[in-house]
Amino acid sequence: GAGVSQTPSNKVTEKGKYVELRCDPISGHTALYWYRQSLGQGPEFLIYFQGTGAADDSGLPNDRFFAVRPEGSVSTLKIQRTERGDSAVYLCASSLMGGGRVDTQYFGPGTRLTVL
Amino acid sequence: DQQVKQNSPSLSVQEGRISILNCDYTNSMFDYFLWYKKYPAEGPTFLISISSIKDKNEDGRFTVFLNKSAKHLSLHIVPSQPGDSAVYFCAANSGGSNYKLTFGKGTLLTVNP
Repeated sequence: GAGVSQTPSNKVTEKGKYVELRCDPISGHTALYWYRQSLGQGPEFLIYFQGTGAADDSGLPNDRFFAVRPEGSVSTLKIQRTERGDSAVYLCASSLMGGGRVDTQYFGPGTRLTVL
Repeated sequence: DQQVKQNSPSLSVQEGRISILNCDYTNSMFDYFLWYKKYPAEGPTFLISISSIKDKNEDGRFTVFLNKSAKHLSLHIVPSQPGDSAVYFCAANSGGSNYKLTFGKGTLLTVNP
C-alpha cells in the first residue's frame, strides 16, 4: 500500500515569507507526527496528533510554527515569517494508534525547506 | 543537550564482516530503544527495537544489545551487505510520552564489496 507522502519535496522561499508543508499519512493511521531534521542532526520531535487534535505540541520551536489536521487525516505544517534558521528537512510520520510501544512510526521522505 | 549520542559519524566495513554501531543515552527515564535506517532522499525506516526489560533482541542479521547500567546499546549486523549502506539512527522514548522519539545524530555505514 501507499506509504506516507509529503509535498512539496523541496521548497525554497525567502526570509519573511509564509510556507505550508503537507503530509498525507498512511490510510487508517490515527496518529501523526512532525519532526525536523537540521543538517548533521537527527530528527527532532515537533508535534503529535491523535485524530484531529494536537496531543503534544511541545516541540514546536515558537509561535511562528503551527500545524493542523482538520479531518484526522492530512496534516499541514505552517511556518510564518520564515527565518534562515528554519532551513531543514521536515519529516512527517504516522502510526496506527499512537502512544504504544509496538506502534511503529512510518516516515515520509520529508520536505527540504530552504530559506534564503 | 544530546540525550541520545552516536559518537561515530561514520563506519566502513567489508562485505561479509560484522558491523557494530554504538549508541549511548543519558536520560534514565528512557525505557524503549529503536534503530532506524535511512537511505538518501527517503524517510527513516524502522529496523529493530528493544525494551529495557531485555538485554538482547534479534531479527535475522540484526541484533540489538542493551546494557542499562552503562546506558549503552549497540546494533550488530552480521553478515554486512552492500545494501546495508545507509545512515543508522538510534532513538529512544519513555513510558510517559512513548510517542515522542528522541534521536541521535546518526552513523553513516558504508559496506564495501
